[in-house]
Amino acid sequence: KAGVTQTPRYLIKTRGQQVTLSCSPISGHRSVSWYQQTPGQGLQFLFEYFSETQRNKGNFPGRFSGRQFSNSRSEMNVSTLELGDSALYLCASSLGVTGGSPLHFGNGTRLTVT
Amino acid sequence: QKEVEQDPGPLSVPEGAIVSLNCTYSNSAFQYFMWYRQYSRKGPELLMYTYSSGNKEDGRFTAQVDKSSKYISLFIRDSQPSDSATYLCAGTYGNNRLAFGKGNQVVVIP
Repeated sequence: KAGVTQTPRYLIKTRGQQVTLSCSPISGHRSVSWYQQTPGQGLQFLFEYFSETQRNKGNFPGRFSGRQFSNSRSEMNVSTLELGDSALYLCASSLGVTGGSPLHFGNGTRLTVT
Repeated sequence: QKEVEQDPGPLSVPEGAIVSLNCTYSNSAFQYFMWYRQYSRKGPELLMYTYSSGNKEDGRFTAQVDKSSKYISLFIRDSQPSDSATYLCAGTYGNNRLAFGKGNQVVVIP
């Protein structure tokens, strides 16, 4: 069974631009979560989607948004990029909602903002 | 105070030694506990998933949960150079929130 697939693997953007990251969950998984990972802060929760509905949201500004499609694939968008948005963005999928079933992560999208 | 505290290390051990990693958590509502392994330039890989207090073993890996002390541990027996990675502990609590430790870097020296 294929794992969680994230595209693209690497992105370089300029301050003020916007970016869209894509995630395909493991087949059959209906929950998709997004995390930001930085050396200083570790893994920080962005949001979780289940059956196309946002179920949980972390403490990130409104510039960070996401959505989930009917096939469970998910996208994350960051508008008006700032230097501090440089990070590894990880997508994780699970069978059900977080907790009741474990998260399986993709290899992430490394975003660099210059 | 972070919800999950984890000593970042790094922790260096000789090949064949037992690696012992620990995390503490502050919220008694934590229910499920996980350990992840993350290699450089890769996403976290699920190693262990457990619910109850006690030990869970999977090959060379043992996860230990002590809910009364709010303490979770991971032991790696017969460590190999391929075990060199960052290990992350995590726990879930109310409304399906998941909190991660910052990760503990482990280096196994051949």
